[in-house]
Amino acid sequence: SAVISQKPSRDICQRGTSLTIQCQVDSQVTMMFWYRQQPGQSLTLIATANQGSEATYESGFVIDKFPISRPNLTFSTLTVSNMSPEDSSIYLCSVTLGDRGSYEQYFGPGTRLTVT
Amino acid sequence: EDQVTQSPEALRLQEGESSSLNCSYTVSGLRGLFWYRQDPGKGPEFLFTLYSAGEEKEKERLKATLTKKESFLHITAPKPEDSATYLCAGIDSWGKLQFGAGTQVVVTP
Repeated sequence: SAVISQKPSRDICQRGTSLTIQCQVDSQVTMMFWYRQQPGQSLTLIATANQGSEATYESGFVIDKFPISRPNLTFSTLTVSNMSPEDSSIYLCSVTLGDRGSYEQYFGPGTRLTVT
Repeated sequence: EDQVTQSPEALRLQEGESSSLNCSYTVSGLRGLFWYRQDPGKGPEFLFTLYSAGEEKEKERLKATLTKKESFLHITAPKPEDSATYLCAGIDSWGKLQFGAGTQVVVTP
């Protein structure tokens, strides 16, 4: 498995501001993913972030709103830009150890974002 | 369109009362079926991956099975600490997870 940490664990932000969420993994992984979990809902994939290439966004998510960085094999950031109350969610990063022959995905503890 | 459907939405059990959760799926190029446990305010905790019909995996009081169209998570003699939301997800040929809405399980003493 993999040990994943996220910062911050929670934050309360004002409308119109931006927040950058950090994801740190205890081992080198090729594939990292960012998910959103809105209140009472299941997880929705925002984008896939592979080191050395641009992030790939899912339908309904755009780079201007959710810019992602992936500077190395153990770290990624997701920025939620120009926030509105609809962005209030838990944001989760995950990694797959697929490059070791497994498709299992492991998740970080999440960042709980409240936008007022 | 890829879809993962879980039932029931919620399940309330007495301690020791065994039951099963269902996950039906239609995922193009399905590579595997995952089960996760999620406690309130936490990220999903990986439980099982099933790759082919007929496969079964067990962990403590949990047993996951897979057919060509659905998966079951059996909870045998549950304890209050088994209370959580259980999520099912299919992984497609692109390596993307498609999650179901989850089953919220409450086990009372």
